[in-house]
Amino acid sequence: GQNIDQPTEMTATEGAIVQINCTYQTSGFNGLFWYQQHAGEAPTFLSYNVLDGLEEKGRFSSFLSRSKGYSYLLLKELQMKDSASYLCAGHGGATNKLIFGTGTLLAVQP
Amino acid sequence: DGGITQSPKYLFRKEGQNVTLSCEQNLNHDAMYWYRQDPGQGLRLIYYSQIVNDFQKGDIAEGYSVSREKKESFPLTVTSAQKNPTAFYLCASSSGSDGPQPQHFGDGTRLSIL
Repeated sequence: GQNIDQPTEMTATEGAIVQINCTYQTSGFNGLFWYQQHAGEAPTFLSYNVLDGLEEKGRFSSFLSRSKGYSYLLLKELQMKDSASYLCAGHGGATNKLIFGTGTLLAVQP
Repeated sequence: DGGITQSPKYLFRKEGQNVTLSCEQNLNHDAMYWYRQDPGQGLRLIYYSQIVNDFQKGDIAEGYSVSREKKESFPLTVTSAQKNPTAFYLCASSSGSDGPQPQHFGDGTRLSIL
């Protein structure tokens, strides 16, 4: 089956580093995407991994281990504006469908 | 600027009424998608279309219908058969290139029952 798990909520301090984990139990996923969604707004694309390893994009990095069904999003130098939900989504192959997790609500505190 | 436009931003439906949500993109993307998001939940796929004049049901298609007569447009109709339509509806599109491609979202339509 297809199942994506991520923590419901996390709290971190401004200026710190936070890692948001995502695990999946599925066959057929050939990519893992991360989106940011502020309350009441649409998701915005952050990063994705097709191959194992780390992809770095400024303050945001994403990691994938396909053999372990595991990904994480790393946010560095946290800012208050980073308070949002972070959605992990697996890519479903030829249909280009994304299967979304329920999201991790990150609260950045001063 | 290229992007995805959804309208209206807010929509109210009366009992027994069909309503249509608009989604237009000028990104020249082949694939388009409709999602529903309920409070505290992830996005659930309603319908998707990989090419003009073709579309497939997603995970929660009952009570909804779509059309894809033009590449840039993918309207969603919420029919009276959808008994719990109150939600945030998101339209997305992606390139039809080989391999995983990110989906880009419109600003959403918030639908409520009167």
